[in-house]
Amino acid sequence: EVQLVESGGVLVQPGRSLRLSCTASGFTFDDYAMHWVRQAPGKGLEWVSGISSKSGSVGYADSVKGRFTISRDNAKNSLYLQMNSLKAEDTAFYYCTKRGNSPEWLLDDYFDSWGQGTLVTVSS
Amino acid sequence: EIVLTQSSDFQSVTPKEKVTITCRASQNIGLSLHWYQQKPDQSPKLLIKYASQSVSGVPSRFSGSGSGTDFTLTINSLEAEDAATYYCHQSSTLPWTFGQGTKVEIK
Repeated sequence: EVQLVESGGVLVQPGRSLRLSCTASGFTFDDYAMHWVRQAPGKGLEWVSGISSKSGSVGYADSVKGRFTISRDNAKNSLYLQMNSLKAEDTAFYYCTKRGNSPEWLLDDYFDSWGQGTLVTVSS
Repeated sequence: EIVLTQSSDFQSVTPKEKVTITCRASQNIGLSLHWYQQKPDQSPKLLIKYASQSVSGVPSRFSGSGSGTDFTLTINSLEAEDAATYYCHQSSTLPWTFGQGTKVEIK
């Protein structure tokens, strides 16, 4: 059974940094692209970032480009999101998600597994 | 950016009734449209992939149809456990985008 467990979400002040982690199990982690998708409380879903299976390629939504960095450690079956210069509008649940088929993050594919999410609150 | 517009934000439906949720894309996305179900305080769950392909473990009362710009999620014979918000998602063109969600309430 695929399991994705996020951690690292906390209350943080605007302008500060935070690192989210996601630990994966139940599948061959380095065969699949991974993504972060976020959801502001009571709102809809927004794709944030994706990374290919071997970390050769990454992508970001315009809203986080230049502030967030996605990475992964295949030896540890882990995905990360380094979040810098945080803004109030970054407040959201952050979900770690697995692509259904693709090792490449930018190919046409669906999100077949989701973690439970970790809440990041940006407020002074 | 491709905008996905779901036909309604909210539906109140009686058990055993048929539910139809539509999703319209701002440009042609072929079959690159997927549906998710999100129950309260849970993460989204994949229901339908590539417009109409079934997903293992999902009850057969859930089905999808459509192509191009117009897509439909159908729930035949709604059950109480289907109370949730349903999202469409396109994977045709970056950035990946989602519809605004349709909340289905059981009367």
